[in-house]
Amino acid sequence: EAGVVQSPRYKIIEKKQPVAFWCNPISGHNTLYWYRQNLGQGPELLIRYENEEAVDDSQLPKDRFSAERLKGVDSTLKIQPAELGDSAVYLCASSFLAGVTYEQYFGPGTRLTVT
Amino acid sequence: DQQVKQNSPSLSVQEGRISILNCDYTNSMFDYFLWYKKYPAEGPTFLISISSIKDKNEDGRFTVFLNKSAKHLSLHIVPSQPGDSAVYFCAARPDSNYQLIWGAGTKLIIKP
Repeated sequence: EAGVVQSPRYKIIEKKQPVAFWCNPISGHNTLYWYRQNLGQGPELLIRYENEEAVDDSQLPKDRFSAERLKGVDSTLKIQPAELGDSAVYLCASSFLAGVTYEQYFGPGTRLTVT
Repeated sequence: DQQVKQNSPSLSVQEGRISILNCDYTNSMFDYFLWYKKYPAEGPTFLISISSIKDKNEDGRFTVFLNKSAKHLSLHIVPSQPGDSAVYFCAARPDSNYQLIWGAGTKLIIKP
């Protein structure tokens, strides 16, 4: 079984530039999560999708961050414009049912560096 | 306000000995706890979990203990192996929703 796929693995951009991250979850997983992880900290949830619907985006900085999950499969997370403080690892995770199983499967992450 | 705390940033253990990783929490409404393991340049991988109605769960070399009165859980690895060297995250789920609250992680180093 293929795991969660993320691309790119690394991205370096200048501040004020846009950037996008892509995630392909495990086949059959209806719940998809985007996390941000800063150095020395645990993952912080940005947004959770149940199929196509964003059911919790309360921690997503909506002035500059946006996300979409078309057809309830792949998802894209975008930052525009990026700021220096956005440098972090962006993790995508998926699970079969958010409320039934608590185990989430993570991709390798995208390490973003904003200069 | 950190609801899940892992107070040891790192831990060094001799191969073959027991590794004990600790996690404290403040929210009594957490009903499920998980441990994840993370290697460099990889995402976290699920290791073991425990429901708040239990005080122990064992899976091979890994055992998680939960002390609800102390709001404390620990992960025991015995015997420790070189491949166990990784960052270990403790995560907790409030009973009111799906979200996982994560600790900052403990880096475990297994010395040969």
